[in-house]
Amino acid sequence: DTAVSQTPKYLVTQMGNDKSIKCEQNLGHDTMYWYKQDSKKFLKIMFSYNNKELIINETVPNRFSPKSPDKAHLNLHINSLELGDSAVYFCASSQVTPGLAGVGRTQYFGPGTRLTVL
Amino acid sequence: GENVEQHPSTLSVQEGDSAVIKCTYSDSASNYFPWYKQELGKGPQLIIDIRSNVGEKKDQRIAVTLNKTAKHFSLHITETQPEDSAVYFCAAGDEYGGYNKLIFGAGTRLAVHP
Repeated sequence: DTAVSQTPKYLVTQMGNDKSIKCEQNLGHDTMYWYKQDSKKFLKIMFSYNNKELIINETVPNRFSPKSPDKAHLNLHINSLELGDSAVYFCASSQVTPGLAGVGRTQYFGPGTRLTVL
Repeated sequence: GENVEQHPSTLSVQEGDSAVIKCTYSDSASNYFPWYKQELGKGPQLIIDIRSNVGEKKDQRIAVTLNKTAKHFSLHITETQPEDSAVYFCAAGDEYGGYNKLIFGAGTRLAVHP
């Protein structure tokens, strides 16, 4: 009955490889997010999808491509992995209805995926 | 650009003491200020939030205060317990636009010693 789940929990790979991280939420939310947390614990938004539409796209290398097959899933594909991509990646979800404040805007985070690029 | 500064970066207290973490934000459009607790190996979990139409909110041992004029908000934990030890993040966002984009502070590592 996990609300926001991510797979895998740990990912160790070589530089230059391509990898994907999957995220699923069973909260019925319409908006999902990807965050990157670096070694200093700094948490930064990367992407956000609302009903399968990309709505937040921060300054992230083109090697990162999010894909949302439906509003309950948001996957992150990373091409040509680099050493600097090593981090913990968190998926989150919330229910966002534009223009309605205080309506369940809480973001619920998944357990994270620790990516290590060697 | 949007920025949230958080202090201190580390905080060590004795069990039973109070802990205070302070944040400042730069975007005057911000109107939603959540606080998250992250335990080792886990994702951040919301512990309390405050909106710009109130100045203070309390939930048992934790309270948040907001000063919109000064763009400051703070987390107060009273009667700290060892299980309060974690990294705490403040964040600021605009509930009316931007699809709930949150800008996070750099985090405060709180250690509560028995």
